[in-house]
Amino acid sequence: QSLLTQPPSASGTPGQRVVISCSGSNSNIGRNVVRWYQQFPGTAPKLLISSDNQRPPGVPDRFSGSKSGTSASLAISGLQSEDEADYYCAVWDDRLNGVFGGGTKLTVL
Amino acid sequence: QVHLVQSGAEVKKPGASVKVSCKASGHTFMKYGLGISWVRQAPGQGLEWMGWISTYNGDTVYGQNFQGRVTITTDISTTTAFMELRGLRSDDTAIYYCARDASTLNFDYWGQGTLVTVSS
Repeated sequence: QSLLTQPPSASGTPGQRVVISCSGSNSNIGRNVVRWYQQFPGTAPKLLISSDNQRPPGVPDRFSGSKSGTSASLAISGLQSEDEADYYCAVWDDRLNGVFGGGTKLTVL
Repeated sequence: QVHLVQSGAEVKKPGASVKVSCKASGHTFMKYGLGISWVRQAPGQGLEWMGWISTYNGDTVYGQNFQGRVTITTDISTTTAFMELRGLRSDDTAIYYCARDASTLNFDYWGQGTLVTVSS
């Protein structure tokens, strides 16, 4: 059971906006930077959001991150079929060090 | 271009140890602020952070779940990082990834992954 709670699944139709949540606590999200990763089956994860709401070069601006208190969110606007993947939040926890959320499988209907 | 190339798949018996390598190229390995983290993923499961090493000075931090069982090292001369896991159990069967850590779980480059299978 991860310290960071993500919904196991999310879905949307092409063009829609989807939000994936990541709930933590004061020892992690409440005080440290949240990263988001995208993973396709059989491949290594890819950095999607590097710092609460900073995108690495090459990541479309359809992806955005936000944080409020002990929760963070990844929003995907203008959903596309190629966005179907698993999404993970990650943050440093002051007690347990690096932690990932359990992951959210996004389905594009 | 930054590349991380990991060693090949391993099959180990319960109780054994495994050592996975991760050779880095295309960047300054010993640059201040950079490190290598190891992350694993059991079949059909999520990501699990194992530990980190500074490629600048060799400092290490290990995940609580792996304290006492994992050792992460580097060989500066070959710009290679290593992860050794001891006392293997069947639930250690997973793909093990190394990742360049630009700052606190900021994994901007990843290795291709190494499948470690623990089976009697």
